[in-house]
Amino acid sequence: SQQGEEDPQALSIQEGENATMNCSYKTSINNLQWYRQNSGRGLVHLILIRSNEREKHSGRLRVTLDTSKKSSSLLITASRAADTASYFCATKGSSNTGKLIFGQGTTLQVKP
Amino acid sequence: DAGVIQSPRHEVTEMGQEVTLRCKPISGHNSLFWYRQTMMRGLELLIYFNNNVPIDDSGMPEDRFSAKMPNASFSTLKIQPSEPRDSAVYFCASSLEGTSKVRDGYTFGSGTRLTVV
Repeated sequence: SQQGEEDPQALSIQEGENATMNCSYKTSINNLQWYRQNSGRGLVHLILIRSNEREKHSGRLRVTLDTSKKSSSLLITASRAADTASYFCATKGSSNTGKLIFGQGTTLQVKP
Repeated sequence: DAGVIQSPRHEVTEMGQEVTLRCKPISGHNSLFWYRQTMMRGLELLIYFNNNVPIDDSGMPEDRFSAKMPNASFSTLKIQPSEPRDSAVYFCASSLEGTSKVRDGYTFGSGTRLTVV
């Protein structure tokens, strides 16, 4: 079964606004990762946050992790039309077996 | 590095035919993963290899599916016989597990869009 569940399923915003996507998961994790997928393309790794970390930044991306609530959020600040894509969270189990399980994704549309 | 290379990009085949999808992972990566993506089921992990050895094939839907990794630079996913419900985009990904490089996550190929008619 899928580990991560993203919320919302779809999000539409204006360029310049911030976009927040949430991810919830069910079992203990070693780390949680966020990926982007442009239409018709493969997934691209954005950021990884370990279970003992609470917040990570990478450029316009900010990721938080709350292991007590088994949830994570991805914030994209000052969005651009080029940020239009699907965003997936993925979790690796606490045994760190190498198996990454993906959620269903959030489709983000940024209108110019 | 040219990234993870998959071939073919598109495959249209008739029901009952054998289909072979190919993947060349990033040189130096020790783990390789096959995923299937559909609108209904999202991204499903089919099988993954570590150091060319299959570690977990619990996601392989049925015996019609098989995967091999004869060496560190090549893997195949075979469907025989193919059925219309196998239509999906199949992704190969590779990573360097068990080191600090795990922070780089997985590198995905561009995928193979399979249509079985």
